[in-house]
Amino acid sequence: DIQLTQSPSFLSASVGDRVTITCRASQGISSYLAWYQQKPGKAPKLLIYAASTLQSGVPSRFSGSGSGTEFTLTISSLQPEDFATYYCQQLNSYPPTFGQGTRLEIK
Amino acid sequence: EVQLVESGGVVVQPGGSLRLSCAASGFTFDDYTMHWVRQAPGKGLEWVSLISWDGGSTYYADSVKGRFTISRDNSKNSLYLQMNSLRTEDTALYYCAKGDGYNTHFDYWGQGTLVTVSS
Repeated sequence: DIQLTQSPSFLSASVGDRVTITCRASQGISSYLAWYQQKPGKAPKLLIYAASTLQSGVPSRFSGSGSGTEFTLTISSLQPEDFATYYCQQLNSYPPTFGQGTRLEIK
Repeated sequence: EVQLVESGGVVVQPGGSLRLSCAASGFTFDDYTMHWVRQAPGKGLEWVSLISWDGGSTYYADSVKGRFTISRDNSKNSLYLQMNSLRTEDTALYYCAKGDGYNTHFDYWGQGTLVTVSS
């Protein structure tokens, strides 16, 4: 199985900050990487797929990049509603796997 | 609007069985692969199983293989997960998720149904 490792696991930031979360794959996954946001008590929400394609309706302050084994999710200017847990996910090969999550909290 | 509504989660004893359901609406159900993904309390996301659009192909995580069975009824726009020989480590919120057209990610998720395995 392909392992995804996110860093950091925990991030404290302020409204207006630019933040970056990294996801590293244990083997190459081309661009078959997605990012999800999950708020407490809610289902995950798709933010980005194919490493850099923004899902419809997702604010443009979210962006993704990378290919192969290293990927990043960037939030250009944090808004209060962005404080949540973020997961990366691959489906280059079965089984689909997720990163362990990055919890983004207000400083 | 795409909607996925899970049901069937309850408290069950170890070794017991349970069937989860997911009612889909707002899209052409029989065009898409469907998935179950679970989340243990306070933990991350774990993919469980998938079924192809026609039910002809299924795939399972090693942790549930031989115990869980995924199925679908396209005439009812419904997805199911039959869970047998349940273990305490199966305790989780179970999400139904729609695969995208290229089967590379999950574009819509239900709100989940909670399965608790406890004596």
